[in-house]
Amino acid sequence: GGNVEQHPSTLSVQEGDSAVIKCTYSDSASNYFPWYKQELGKRPQLIIDIRSNVGEKKDQRIAVTLNKTAKHFSLHITETQPEDSAVYFCAASGYGANSKLTFGKGITLSVRP
Amino acid sequence: NAGVTQTPKFRVLKTGQSMTLLCAQDMNHEYMYWYRQDPGMGLRLIHYSVGEGTTAKGEVPDGYNVSRLKKQNFLLGLESAAPSQTSVYFCASSYSTGAGELFFGEGSRLTVL
Repeated sequence: GGNVEQHPSTLSVQEGDSAVIKCTYSDSASNYFPWYKQELGKRPQLIIDIRSNVGEKKDQRIAVTLNKTAKHFSLHITETQPEDSAVYFCAASGYGANSKLTFGKGITLSVRP
Repeated sequence: NAGVTQTPKFRVLKTGQSMTLLCAQDMNHEYMYWYRQDPGMGLRLIHYSVGEGTTAKGEVPDGYNVSRLKKQNFLLGLESAAPSQTSVYFCASSYSTGAGELFFGEGSRLTVL
C-alpha cells in the first residue's frame, strides 16, 4: 500500500454537521481502500471500503470517494451524532496473495453535542 | 462464533522478561496478523501469516517472533522485553490478504517496566 497519510489528525464538528476525513496514498498500484473505526478502548472495525473501479460508495450516513488520479480518498459522514466520535483509520492495499494493508495514523473525530 | 480472541488482555513485564501473546480465530481464515498500536502512530504490522506453518515479517518485526502451528492460532513472542515494546497489540484475521476485511481481536495492553 506504500505510504498512507491522513489529514488532519483531529477534527471536531457540531452534532448534525458533516465531517470529511481525507487520506492520500503513494503507491499507484493500490486498488483497495477501506476505512476502519475505533471507538475508545475498543477494536478497529471496518465501516466502509471502496475498490479502484468505483469512484464513490455510500452506506446510509457514510460515503467514501476515490480520486485515483490525485491518489486520495475521503470519508464523508453526514448528520453526525455523538456515537460517531472515534478514531478513523484509512488504509490502502493492492490485490494478490502478498498484498497487505498499510494504515494511516488515524484521525480523532469529536462530535460536540 | 467468538471471532478473534486474544490472551492475555493485560500484562506487565520487567525489562528482559519473555512472554507470549496468543491469538485464536474460529472463522477458518487463512490469513492472520499482529499489529501494534501506539499513540499517533496508527496500526503497524509486526508479522503476518498467509497460512498454517507460514510466517512473514511486517513493518516493525524486530524484537518479536511468531508461530502458526495451527490454522486457528497465531502466537506472538517477546524473547527479551524492552520498554519500547510497551504498546497495545492487536491480532487480526482475514479471509484473504489485501482487499479483504480484517477482523480484529480486543487487543492486549502490554507494559514493560
